[in-house]
Parts: sequence; structure tokens; C-alpha cells
Amino acid sequence: NAGVTQTPKFRVLKTGQSMTLLCAQDMNHEYMYWYRQDPGMGLRLIHYSVGEGTTAKGEVPDGYNVSRLKKQNFLLGLESAAPSQTSVYFCASSLKGGWSYEQYFGPGTRLTVT
Amino acid sequence: AQTVTQSQPEMSVQEAETVTLSCTYDTSESDYYLFWYKQPPSRQMILVIRQEAYKQQNATENRFSVNFQKAAKSFSLKISDSQLGDAAMYFCAYRSAWDGGSQGNLIFGKGTKLSVKP
Repeated sequence: NAGVTQTPKFRVLKTGQSMTLLCAQDMNHEYMYWYRQDPGMGLRLIHYSVGEGTTAKGEVPDGYNVSRLKKQNFLLGLESAAPSQTSVYFCASSLKGGWSYEQYFGPGTRLTVT
Repeated sequence: AQTVTQSQPEMSVQEAETVTLSCTYDTSESDYYLFWYKQPPSRQMILVIRQEAYKQQNATENRFSVNFQKAAKSFSLKISDSQLGDAAMYFCAYRSAWDGGSQGNLIFGKGTKLSVKP
């Protein structure tokens, strides 16, 4: 039981390049989330999904796209990376959306855009 | 919109002593949930403790306890018998009880960096 895993752990991109971050969970969770964490700030929600085939925007969705084709995977895409997207990205999942369903976090991906 | 404020960017405590981390929040909702997360240098986010707003009793988890003051919108974390492994960033987070918006979305404060001195 690996919990929530993220691929890759580190990445350096040049401005304008694209990439996809992969989040995978093996807990059969319905809900999945993508957050970003910037220095001196807490985590902010980018996009989330309440089930396979569904996605929705969070607090800071601009410049990102997501897909949830399989229940266990939640992909975060950057079509044209910008330096402002330099951040640590966290994926999380929960059984459902209720408070008692704890969000389990992945180890994070550190992305640098030069 | 809800906001979470952690006014102490950094705190320090002596090993075996007690420390309290502060958190205040702003909301117009009456039903919600509050959390404290720990983020050690490994970056892994770990849930420490949670509190339901409708419960008056303060939550406790071993050496961790909270002081929840709903009227004052305050949610502080007390760590007793501090250990070296408690050194980390601590984030306070808020979640609405209403699922109509961002389902289960957590709103985080900026964090408090806790150092533990041997």
C-alpha cells in the first residue's frame, strides 16, 4: 500500500515548455486534489476531482489543466510553463469530501521554471 | 471568503517543554472543521489533529491538543513534552462543512516554523 505517489519528484523546465505531473493513489479514494505551495505561503488549491471523469477549478487554476481518466490517477498539466509556476506541487486524495475523510498527501514535486 | 492567519512565522521550544502555536480564522459560516498539519523537512504533509466547530470539547491526540475558541475564531495548537521530531512547519487549515463548493477543499494559513532545541 503506497498511499499517494507523485511523479516526478523534481523537475526543471524552461519557459514555454510543457509537462505533466502524475498523481496516483491506491486507496480507492473518490476525491483528488492538486495544491501548490509557494515560499511563505500555505497550500492553495489548483484543481480537484470528485470522481473519475470529473474535474473542477480551485483557487488558482490559471495556467493548469487536469484530467482524471482513471479513478486512481489525477494528472496536472502545464501547457506553457512560466516562472510564476515555480513551486512545490502536492497531490492529495480523500475517500469522500466530508470532514472526517482525511486528506492524504503525496510527497510533493518541486518544479523550477527558468 | 474564508481566511486563515498564523501570526507566528517562527517559534522555538526547548526539548520536553510545552509550546503553543496560534491560529485565527475568519468565516461567516457556523459549521466548519479545523485542522493542524505538520510538514517536516521531508515535505510530507501529516495530519496532526482536527476539530469540529459544533463540538465544544477540545480535541486531543497524545501530546497534541487544541484550544478552540469559536466566538473568538481562534484555534491554537499546544504541543506538550516537545521532542526533536516535532521540529517542522505547522499549518492550520479550515474546511467548510458545506460540500457545495470545492469539495473538501482545505484553506491553509502560511505556517509556523517550529524549532526544538536539545
